[in-house]
Amino acid sequence: NFMLTQPHSVSESPGKTVIISCTRSGGNIASNYVQWYQQRPGSSPTIVIYEDDQRPSGVPGRFSGSIDISSNSASLTVSGLQTEDEADYYCQSYDYNNHAVFGGGTKLTVL
Amino acid sequence: EVKLVESGGGLVQPGRSLRLSCAASGFPFDEYAMHWVRQVPGKGLEWVSHINWNSGSLGYADSVKGRFTISRDNAKTSLYLQMNSLRAEDTALYYCVKDNSRGVFDIWGQGTMVTVSS
Repeated sequence: NFMLTQPHSVSESPGKTVIISCTRSGGNIASNYVQWYQQRPGSSPTIVIYEDDQRPSGVPGRFSGSIDISSNSASLTVSGLQTEDEADYYCQSYDYNNHAVFGGGTKLTVL
Repeated sequence: EVKLVESGGGLVQPGRSLRLSCAASGFPFDEYAMHWVRQVPGKGLEWVSHINWNSGSLGYADSVKGRFTISRDNAKTSLYLQMNSLRAEDTALYYCVKDNSRGVFDIWGQGTMVTVSS
């Protein structure tokens, strides 16, 4: 099986850009799509990026996703940070059994 | 409005059983796979189980395999999780989650809390 490793926390100022990484250990990051979920305090998670870089309708264009095969990682980029972006973010993919695997989560603080 | 409402959580002693339910509305329930995902308060997300649209394909996390059983009743637009031989480490908020047919968790319920303690 494999793990998805995220930084425990990141912080940045309003208006700036932050990048949250998700590194896959074991297997190729490109072998299964990566999704990103946002969880605001006290709320259920919501999808912000699916299939590596696709943004659902209703999610601001400030959110974007990508994968980097050389580093075997996925990234979530949030530009023009707003206070409402302060939340936990989780990456997610699938293993060879088609079982979902989540990263440990990253707490984004907008200072 | 697409909605998932979980119920059935509560306080249960170790070794006992509990059955969670999830009532779905606002979408053709019988066309979509469904999942259970849990979260220990203050901790990360853990996928628990999935079931495809016609119950023909089931999957379980290693941590619950052999103890938990997922099922669905399409006529009642409901998803279930039968949890047996519960352990303290099963204590968590359990979310019912809709799959968009491409492995994306596109709709989440509000969760039901399960506490396993003597």
